[in-house]
Amino acid sequence: EVQLVESGGGLVQPGGSLRLSCAVSGFTFSSYWMSWVRQAPGKGLEWVANIKPDGSEKYYVDSVKGRFTISRDNAKNSLYLQINNLRAEDTAVYYCASLDYYGSGSHYYYYMDVWGKGTTVTVSS
Amino acid sequence: DIQLTQSPSFLSASVGDRVTITCRASQGISSYLAWYQQKPGKAPKVLIYAASTLQSGVPSRFSGSGSGTEFTLTISSLQPEDFATYYCQQFNRYPITFGQGTRLEIK
Repeated sequence: EVQLVESGGGLVQPGGSLRLSCAVSGFTFSSYWMSWVRQAPGKGLEWVANIKPDGSEKYYVDSVKGRFTISRDNAKNSLYLQINNLRAEDTAVYYCASLDYYGSGSHYYYYMDVWGKGTTVTVSS
Repeated sequence: DIQLTQSPSFLSASVGDRVTITCRASQGISSYLAWYQQKPGKAPKVLIYAASTLQSGVPSRFSGSGSGTEFTLTISSLQPEDFATYYCQQFNRYPITFGQGTRLEIK
């Protein structure tokens, strides 16, 4: 069974740090792009970061650049999000997701295929 | 950044109704668009990718169309389990962006 399980969320003070983890099973983790997506309470979905299968390319939404770092350990089938200098607006459920794609050649249509259940980060003093 | 604007933001409909949700992109994104369904307290689930390709296991009452800047998600005959929030998402370029969501409720 394909499964993504997030952990590491919690209550943290502004300026604090957390490391979120996503444990993957049921598919060849090392072959897939991975994402973090977050959802603030009562709000919509916001893409946070992507990482290439070998970890050589990483992309971030502007609001987290310099504070968040996405990484992966393919030997441990795990994805990570290091979150530093937390702000109240980072309060959200954080989901990890695997990217699949359709197409070939110069056209690859990506989509977020499998999602974890999320881990909650609350930033408050 | 590419902005995605969904309309309507809220939709009230009855079981058996045909409903259409529109997603407009601020610039052309070819067919690099996906649709997701999210139920309260649950992770999103992909319905459609490449604008019109139905994900495996998704009922055929769901369909997607469009290219460029205008896209639609259609549910041909609403079922009780379809009442949820729907999001479009573009993968044409970074940053990846989502629409604001369309909440579909039972009339």
